[in-house]
Amino acid sequence: DTEVTQTPKHLVMGMTNKKSLKCEQHMGHRAMYWYKQKAKKPPELMFVYSYEKLSINESVPSRFSPECPNSSLLNLHLHALQPEDSALYLCASTRTGSNEKLFFGSGTQLSVL
Amino acid sequence: GNSVTQMEGPVTLSEEAFLTINCTYTATGYPSLFWYVQYPGEGLQLLLKATKADDKGSNKGFEATYRKETTSFHLEKGSVQVSDSAVYFCALNTGFQKLVFGTGTRLLVSP
Repeated sequence: DTEVTQTPKHLVMGMTNKKSLKCEQHMGHRAMYWYKQKAKKPPELMFVYSYEKLSINESVPSRFSPECPNSSLLNLHLHALQPEDSALYLCASTRTGSNEKLFFGSGTQLSVL
Repeated sequence: GNSVTQMEGPVTLSEEAFLTINCTYTATGYPSLFWYVQYPGEGLQLLLKATKADDKGSNKGFEATYRKETTSFHLEKGSVQVSDSAVYFCALNTGFQKLVFGTGTRLLVSP
């Protein structure tokens, strides 16, 4: 199994909603990442978890809250988002996180109304 | 700081044409260099990588050589196919779990 699975594939939410994005991998990878990608732009790093501990937070607003319940799962909790947060949210993983190939999921396309 | 500069797209080619997508970088230390490809509606996939100067990465007919003297990692393919149409991202990693991407270059290949 060499996949990173993200759910849902599409999400529409209002600015007062609370929702969660989910990411799962069963490759035994110990580093997991959230990226945000706006249309026609490169992915921007948001968070990195290494061995289930948050190791990088790229000054992301607190309305985005990551969680890593175990080594296979990564969640991104969303609350009080703004329309400008609409984007493709990509999850990725690497074996240990240092200079290695990133395995990306297909992403969740989020629209905030 | 670390940064990657890619040529503006789109690059439009006919099938079987030669492809070059330019990529240059600025980095402290000795970065690893990558090319990722993104097909419509999908996440990114690693296409090839090189970890030190003069290394050549290759995969699926694509090649790129890590040139320290010109700080470049240009992507080439001798004969493109329609199925190669995608967005190509050059990226660097200095080993601190942070991958820095270029802005991406869209390739359109027509039959």
